[in-house]
Amino acid sequence: NAGVTQTPKFRILKIGQSMTLQCTQDMNHNYMYWYRQDPGMGLKLIYYSVGAGITDKGEVPNGYNVSRSTTEDFPLRLELAAPSQTSVYFCASSKTGGLDYGYTFGSGTRLTVV
Amino acid sequence: AQSVTQLDSQVPVFEEAPVELRCNYSSSVSVYLFWYVQYPNQGLQLLLKYLSGSTLVKGINGFEAEFNKSQTSFHLRKPSVHISDTAEYFCAVSFTNTGNQFYFGTGTSLTVIP
Repeated sequence: NAGVTQTPKFRILKIGQSMTLQCTQDMNHNYMYWYRQDPGMGLKLIYYSVGAGITDKGEVPNGYNVSRSTTEDFPLRLELAAPSQTSVYFCASSKTGGLDYGYTFGSGTRLTVV
Repeated sequence: AQSVTQLDSQVPVFEEAPVELRCNYSSSVSVYLFWYVQYPNQGLQLLLKYLSGSTLVKGINGFEAEFNKSQTSFHLRKPSVHISDTAEYFCAVSFTNTGNQFYFGTGTSLTVIP
């Protein structure tokens, strides 16, 4: 029972490069989320999805893109990386939108843009 | 405006002493309230939640929280802490007019001193 798996765990990018953060869950959850965590700022929602083929913006979507072609996978794409995107990224999933069981979080991806 | 506030960014406490971590929110609508814990280099784990009913909620690892509607607070307490409770604690709120979105506080770093 893997839960939510994120890869890679660490990554250093140069300004202007692109990359995809992978997120996979094996719990058949419909809802999936991407958050970024900055020191002293808590978690901010980037994008979320309520099911395959459906995505929507959160609080801080600029500079990111997502897709949800399957229930299991919810990759986050960074185009033209900027230093402001240096952060820890967490993927999460939930069965019912989080109100009954809360979210299940992955262990995070620490991204540094230099 | 709707918001979540954790006033204490760092809380040091001696082992076996009691602790209270504060969380306040601002909202004109009903809320659902959660506490999450994040151990070093891990994702967030759900400690406890309040959806409705009894205002005193018990969670895992001996933690409890009390919902106070008049003071718009949801403080987390533990009567006797252990070294293993050293972690970051996040209060999260879901406002009933924002669908599936959670709003996280900035976190409180609890350090238990031997």
